[in-house]
Amino acid sequence: DARVTQTPRHKVTEMGQEVTMRCQPILGHNTVFWYRQTMMQGLELLAYFRNRAPLDDSGMPKDRFSAEMPDATLATLKIQPSEPRDSAVYFCASGLGGSKNIQYFGAGTRLSVL
Amino acid sequence: GNSVTQMEGPVTLSEEAFLTINCTYTATGYPSLFWYVQYPGEGLQLLLKATKADDKGSNKGFEATYRKETTSFHLEKGSVQVSDSAVYFCAPPQLSFGAGTTVTVRA
Repeated sequence: DARVTQTPRHKVTEMGQEVTMRCQPILGHNTVFWYRQTMMQGLELLAYFRNRAPLDDSGMPKDRFSAEMPDATLATLKIQPSEPRDSAVYFCASGLGGSKNIQYFGAGTRLSVL
Repeated sequence: GNSVTQMEGPVTLSEEAFLTINCTYTATGYPSLFWYVQYPGEGLQLLLKATKADDKGSNKGFEATYRKETTSFHLEKGSVQVSDSAVYFCAPPQLSFGAGTTVTVRA
């Protein structure tokens, strides 16, 4: 059963530390999304990639966040330096792209910045 | 661009009650529309979709009809169960999903 895999599932860190979250999209999917979910803002799109190229990262704070796809099987989201307001659940999703296609979500990384 | 307006929650119901969650969209053309569900502690998963006007999506007893005249895609279920307690999101693709609608079903 193909699924999107996110690691780690939970991360607790101190303010100022670097955080790296990883996502393995479903094999064959060419579109990858990063979302952040908080009680206050709901589920926000941070960035998305098609064929490993960033198409939209306007939702991402550029000064501390970066998203990359080193290869087709790995997407990363980094926060440096982390701040308490970054505490949230971060989801990765993958899909085949296009307006008629479904997104498949990972289980998320719960980040707590102390 | 495409956008959706979804009914705010939370919604609390008793088992076997009728559930409806309103969703209206603004779109250029007729994009596919989706309802996703998020169970506690999990990521979102597709509940149902419709790819063109007058399409009806259905799954797990839930239904939604893509209505061009009213630009709506309301989610309905005739008799909810405790296991339907979740957050429901109406979305066209590639946009932020927002807060969704939290539904709690009580036994």
